[in-house]
Amino acid sequence: AQSVTQLDSQVPVFEEAPVELRCNYSSSVSVYLFWYVQYPNQGLQLLLKYLSGSTLVKGINGFEAEFNKSQTSFHLRKPSVHISDTAEYFCAVSASGGTSYGKLTFGQGTILTVHP
Amino acid sequence: NAGVMQNPRHLVRRRGQEARLRCSPMKGHSHVYWYRQLPEEGLKFMVYLQKENIIDESGMPKERFSAEFPKEGPSILRIQQVVRGDSAAYFCASSQGQGREQYFGPGTRLTVT
Repeated sequence: AQSVTQLDSQVPVFEEAPVELRCNYSSSVSVYLFWYVQYPNQGLQLLLKYLSGSTLVKGINGFEAEFNKSQTSFHLRKPSVHISDTAEYFCAVSASGGTSYGKLTFGQGTILTVHP
Repeated sequence: NAGVMQNPRHLVRRRGQEARLRCSPMKGHSHVYWYRQLPEEGLKFMVYLQKENIIDESGMPKERFSAEFPKEGPSILRIQQVVRGDSAAYFCASSQGQGREQYFGPGTRLTVT
């Protein structure tokens, strides 16, 4: 089974400042990793994914994340945030094989609030 | 290029009634997943289906809940005899294949009165 821990439930930040949203995972098998964003009363939008290859992955809206296998982390970063980045962010993991292959396990979410 | 479609967007049911939630996957996607989002519990996997097959239903409550994805038409999540605790947002996602990235619909917000 997989589990995901998002270390911060809320992150306030000022506009144009950098931000890091932290995510750690636990799994006995190899995994795929994802970050999703959810705006109020909407569905989830895929920001970026790590399936294999380069550990630094770039996504939409200027976000990037780095897969660190030794630390079992997949932190999300953006060098300069905008007001429009205010939303809830979810880290998710999927086993890359086995009986859990396919389904996503989500962290509890981090609410990013960007202040002017 | 339509994304994942869910209907209805909002559904109100009285205790004891049935709720039917529909999901049409993205074009070219034959894998469908259902998730439930509860305020204090976050997003939880419910069931994973391929056309006419249930692949993984490990997250489905044992009673009152069922899901199908017929050869023709949308996937249906059915909740019989709803209770207040079923009030939640239900999200459907689709993918091109197992393990591939999942794209989510806008959700159905179920309220049980």
